[in-house]
Amino acid sequence: EVQLVESGGGLVQPGRSLRLSCITFGFTFGECGMSWFRQAPGKGLEWVGFIRRKAEGGTTEYAASVKGRFIISRDDSKGVAYLQMNSLTTEDTAVYYCSRDPVRGDGYTFDNWGQGTLVTVSS
Amino acid sequence: DIQMTQSPSSVSASVGDTVIITCRASQDINNRLAWYQKKPGKAPKLLIYVASSLEEGVPSRFSGSRSGTDFTLAISSLQPEDSATYYCQQSKRFPLTLGGGTKVEIK
Repeated sequence: EVQLVESGGGLVQPGRSLRLSCITFGFTFGECGMSWFRQAPGKGLEWVGFIRRKAEGGTTEYAASVKGRFIISRDDSKGVAYLQMNSLTTEDTAVYYCSRDPVRGDGYTFDNWGQGTLVTVSS
Repeated sequence: DIQMTQSPSSVSASVGDTVIITCRASQDINNRLAWYQKKPGKAPKLLIYVASSLEEGVPSRFSGSRSGTDFTLAISSLQPEDSATYYCQQSKRFPLTLGGGTKVEIK
């Protein structure tokens, strides 16, 4: 069974950093792209960023709202994706979800998601 | 960036009704459009990919279609468990963008 489990959320002060992890089970992690999305309280889903599988260069893409502050990485040996969040602001308060792109030739579509982890940025 | 305009923002319908949700892309995305269902406190769930392909395990009352840059999600024979917010997402190019969501309520 495919599973994605986020961890690392919590309360953090503005300007500080936080690292989220997405631990995966039940599939060949290295064959998939991975993305992070978020949902702020009362708002819609927002795409945050994406990391390609190593076979496609392992490169990353980011939303303009987080570019230069957030970094996505992956450890294929552990089946884990990371979201390093720096210079956090109150606007980054949200539930963060990781998701899997199985790379089936249909564009960037995400067929499995974690339950999310809440990040609250507040002084 | 590709803008995704989704409508309506909310709809209320009865069990057994058909609900239609639309999404318009600001430029050509071919059929690179996915639909997700999101319930409070739950993970998003992929329903439809490449505009009209039903994800495995999703009930056949969900269907998707495309006409140019206009996309629709239809939920036929609406069920109580379909109460949720639905999002479209263009999967053509980065930055990936989503519609604003449609909240479906059951009368």
